[in-house]
Amino acid sequence: AQSVAQPEDQVNVAEGNPLTVKCTYSVSGNPYLFWYVQYPNRGLQFLLKYITGDNLVKGSYGFEAEFNKSQTSFHLKKPSALVSDSALYFCAVRDLRDGGYNKLIFGAGTRLAVHP
Amino acid sequence: DTGVSQDPRHKITKRGQNVTFRCDPISEHNRLYWYRQTLGQGPEFLTYFQNEAQLEKSRLLSDRFSAERPKGSFSTLEIQRTEQGDSAMYLCASQAGGSYEQYFGPGTRLTVT
Repeated sequence: AQSVAQPEDQVNVAEGNPLTVKCTYSVSGNPYLFWYVQYPNRGLQFLLKYITGDNLVKGSYGFEAEFNKSQTSFHLKKPSALVSDSALYFCAVRDLRDGGYNKLIFGAGTRLAVHP
Repeated sequence: DTGVSQDPRHKITKRGQNVTFRCDPISEHNRLYWYRQTLGQGPEFLTYFQNEAQLEKSRLLSDRFSAERPKGSFSTLEIQRTEQGDSAMYLCASQAGGSYEQYFGPGTRLTVT
């Protein structure tokens, strides 16, 4: 079955410290992976994607993610957290059961809280 | 603002009433998706349009739900005979052909009382 797991409901980090938000996936075939961020009362904003190529993907707002095929993981990282990074983060994978329509399967989300 | 827009942003309705939501995608995007998001969960796929053709519908989409995208521009999602279980955030996303990232609108929050 195609699925995405975000094992942590919440991640707490102090401002200036590095942050990691975890994501693991289960798909048949090569995964297309995405991270989105959701601020209160707003839609999801695209952060970054992995389709192919370099396992370290750089995205918006200083975020990056590391694709690890052997561990089926796609963890989101940032070297130095900001209070303004506090939000809800979603990992998603393209549902490969479709006919190439690129619909996404999302994880349940991880709430990131960055404390001053 | 040239992003995805949705209207209304909030809708409160009584059980049994019909509601309709509108999504205006980014103008050059030919692909359009509807998702539903309930509290504490990630969005779940509902339906997909490529231009004006509705190419896929989720099993989540009961026969009370219908969606259209006339002329491949804006899209509407209608829910007939609403139920309390329909209360959720309804998200629209658009995507350019040949790209992979979807761009989401702010959503319509539906509350069925």
